[in-house]
Amino acid sequence: GQQVMQIPQYQHVQEGEDFTTYCNSSTTLSNIQWYKQRPGGHPVFLIQLVKSGEVKKQKRLTFQFGEAKKNSSLHITATQTTDVGTYFCAGKTGGSYIPTFGRGTSLIVHP
Amino acid sequence: NAGVTQTPKFQVLKTGQSMTLQCAQDMNHEYMSWYRQDPGMGLRLIHYSVGAGITDQGEVPNGYNVSRSTTEDFPLRLLSAAPSQTSVYFCASSFSREGNTEAFFGQGTRLTVV
Repeated sequence: GQQVMQIPQYQHVQEGEDFTTYCNSSTTLSNIQWYKQRPGGHPVFLIQLVKSGEVKKQKRLTFQFGEAKKNSSLHITATQTTDVGTYFCAGKTGGSYIPTFGRGTSLIVHP
Repeated sequence: NAGVTQTPKFQVLKTGQSMTLQCAQDMNHEYMSWYRQDPGMGLRLIHYSVGAGITDQGEVPNGYNVSRSTTEDFPLRLLSAAPSQTSVYFCASSFSREGNTEAFFGQGTRLTVV
């Protein structure tokens, strides 16, 4: 079945440093979504990417979808303590109803 | 608009007991799904539904049953609880159409089986 690998599992950064998490799929995706889960909370949708090579920005967050539509990344510039949480990617193929989630990357920001 | 509502928020069960986790959404979403979240394992799909009367298994369905008699409700039943089912359970819903199909998650149910 479809697999979505996400690395790293954990990332410790000092406040102000940049952060990147990577997502790779074993199959070509029709779209990829990113979610953020704060400690003790539930996943919250951040963004969806659909087009090959697409890049979208939300303030300090930059999301990319690979040319082959099999990988994606989330980059946070100048992390803040409010960025703490687990970031999940979720990839959907054309034939699936429900996206497959990666295992997530937990971001820990040290003040 | 309440979104996705899960009850209860916390539950402790004894091994062998059965229970139902409730999930309701008021957004008229066609798709609903149940996930369990364990440390380091991400969100694993248990069961999902693409509409009333239609359900299918996800990655980890053993020990769980679901039904979808209405668009709004998608309960998850634990038939005979085991310690391995200690986890945080999330229900989610989304539209089925192409375009933005973001999933809306409930607040979660923290289940402990002793």
